[in-house]
Amino acid sequence: GQNIDQPTEMTATEGAIVQINCTYQTSGFNGLFWYQQHAGEAPTFLSYNVLDGLEEKGRFSSFLSRSKGYSYLLLKELQMKDSASYLCAVSDSNYQLIWGAGTKLIIKP
Amino acid sequence: GAVVSQHPSRVICKSGTSVKIECRSLDFQATTMFWYRQFPKKSLMLMATSNEGSKATYEQGVEKDKFLINHASLTLSTLTVTSAHPEDSSFYICSARDLAGDSVETQYFGPGTRLLVL
Repeated sequence: GQNIDQPTEMTATEGAIVQINCTYQTSGFNGLFWYQQHAGEAPTFLSYNVLDGLEEKGRFSSFLSRSKGYSYLLLKELQMKDSASYLCAVSDSNYQLIWGAGTKLIIKP
Repeated sequence: GAVVSQHPSRVICKSGTSVKIECRSLDFQATTMFWYRQFPKKSLMLMATSNEGSKATYEQGVEKDKFLINHASLTLSTLTVTSAHPEDSSFYICSARDLAGDSVETQYFGPGTRLLVL
């Protein structure tokens, strides 16, 4: 079956760095997405990886290793507004998104 | 980035009535739109995939006669919850797939519609 695993909840301190991991097993692979979702709101697109390596975009970076079925989202210089759920999703062989359950990130001052 | 709107943002209705939710892609054409449902503290649950000009593809366990989807144009898809019941109360979110400049097909989400059935 298809499976996306990510931690349920993480806590970090304002100004620090946090890494949110995602492992996947899917039928085919056409890229991996990270979305941010604040409570009560719809998800917003953060990043897309289809090739191995690190993609940096401001304070956020996303890494992919296709051979390991592994990705992480790295958030630097954490701000209180970064408190949200972070969803990992993989595009499978039919270009359908397979979603992880999300990681709730709690930022403490 | 691509903008997707959803209307209404919030609706309260009586049990037995029908509710229509609109999803529009504002600055791009979306041949494919998706409808999700999300329960509190749960991840997104895909309900159906909507393709312009054809019938929607429903996920297993989703009643197509209860959740009517119409994708009449490249910028508009509607979800109608028919004969709504309290258990249909949820957060309904649509997304539209955009072929970005670098050929990445990314889903962009509408702001969601919170439905409460009394």
